[in-house]
Amino acid sequence: KQEVTQIPAALSVPEGENLVLNCSFTDSAIYNLQWFRQDPGKGLTSLLLIQSSQREQTSGRLNASLDKSSGRSTLYIAASQPGDSATYLCAVRRGANSKLTFGKGITLSVRP
Amino acid sequence: DTAVSQTPKYLVTQMGNDKSIKCEQNLGHDTMYWYKQDSKKFLKIMFSYNNKELIINETVPNRFSPKSPDKAHLNLHINSLELGDSAVYFCASSLIERGGRAFFGQGTRLTVV
Repeated sequence: KQEVTQIPAALSVPEGENLVLNCSFTDSAIYNLQWFRQDPGKGLTSLLLIQSSQREQTSGRLNASLDKSSGRSTLYIAASQPGDSATYLCAVRRGANSKLTFGKGITLSVRP
Repeated sequence: DTAVSQTPKYLVTQMGNDKSIKCEQNLGHDTMYWYKQDSKKFLKIMFSYNNKELIINETVPNRFSPKSPDKAHLNLHINSLELGDSAVYFCASSLIERGGRAFFGQGTRLTVV
């Protein structure tokens, strides 16, 4: 049974800091891994999708890496801003039509 | 243009009632999902349909019944609502050919009183 872990549960950093959010999963047989952002009371916004054959994906100040064999992914946020404050969720999928298995998320607070 | 839209956004109802949540996607995706986010913010799959066929049915009380009239719609009907059904319900969709990126609706906050 796939389990996804995101530690720590909460993180507070000063504005401008570069930061790394970690995600680990127990079953390396994944199809893809997706990072989401959730603002309070809102839905999930897809940030980055990494296929199992890929090592990383980049979008703006965000970079996500995937090490499938060790069951790890990281989301790197460069030059953090207060607007980055949100909960960041990692989710893995076993097959093309499989369910997403989510971690519990990391709640990030970027202090001005 | 909203990609995945759910209605209603908020739903407050009494125990024992029957209610439905509707979901529509205009992305041309072939797979749709219902997820439940509990009070601790943990997201868990409930159902999934691919081309109107049920493909995922997790351990969910049979008071919950999904219906997919076509590929663009997936509705969730809940009978005999209980206090424990209070949660946020998210609809999502994806397309295999596009790598399976999932897009989520804004959620329906269900409160059972």
